Amino acid sequence: DGGITQSPKYLFRKEGQNVTLSCEQNLNHDAMYWYRQDPGQGLRLIYYSQIVNDFQKGDIAEGYSVSREKKESFPLTVTSAQKNPTAFYLCASSKMTGMESPLHFGNGTRLTVT
Amino acid sequence: AQSVSQHNHHVILSEAASLELGCNYSYGGTVNLFWYVQYPGQHLQLLLKYFSGDPLVKGIKGFEAEFIKSKFSFNLRKPSVQWSDTAEYFCAVSHYGGSQGNLIFGKGTKLSVKP
Repeated sequence: DGGITQSPKYLFRKEGQNVTLSCEQNLNHDAMYWYRQDPGQGLRLIYYSQIVNDFQKGDIAEGYSVSREKKESFPLTVTSAQKNPTAFYLCASSKMTGMESPLHFGNGTRLTVT
Repeated sequence: AQSVSQHNHHVILSEAASLELGCNYSYGGTVNLFWYVQYPGQHLQLLLKYFSGDPLVKGIKGFEAEFIKSKFSFNLRKPSVQWSDTAEYFCAVSHYGGSQGNLIFGKGTKLSVKP
C-alpha cells in the first residue's frame, strides 16, 4: 500500500539540539514538501523539492535545512537556530509540482522542544 | 502577497444540518482552489478542487464548493452533515499555472457534528 511515512510520531528534544525528522514515500512521486502546522495558523511551507538533489525555500525556511539525496526520502532538520521549533510537522508529496497533481500527506511528527 | 481567510475557527452542528464554510482569498489573477480535509487521526486529504469551467465543483462524500470570482470566494457546502464529517477543513489557493510550492493554506475550520 503506497503512502508517506513520517517518523517518529512524537519527538522530544532539549533546546539547542538539532533534530532530524524523517519522511519517506513509496508513491514514486517527484516532488516532496515540508509544512509546519501551528494551532490556528494553518499550514505553512518550509521547504520543497521538485527533483533529487534540488530544493527550494518556502515561506518559513529560516532555522531549517533539508536534503534530497534519494527520490523516496526528504528529511527535515530543525536546527538550534529555529526560534520556535515546537510544532506539528507534515510531509507531503505530489507526482508533479503542477496543480493537477494533488498533495498526499503523511501523518505528521509532533516535535516538542523544552 | 496572497492570503486565504477562513472565517470560522470552529463550527458545531447537529446531524442533518446544512453546512457552509467560508473561504476568501486575496489574489487578483486566475486561481486554482482547493479544499483539504483532515479527519481525526488521519492524514490530510483532498476533498475537491477547482481549476476552470463550471464554478460549482463536486467532491467526495457529498461536499461541493462554489467559486464566485466577484467575491473572491470558494465556500464549501454540504446539504446534510453526518457525525462522520467531524474533521478540520482547510481551504487553499494558488495562482493559475503555479506549482504546489505556491499553494497557500487558510488557518482551517474545525467542524464538530453532534450525533
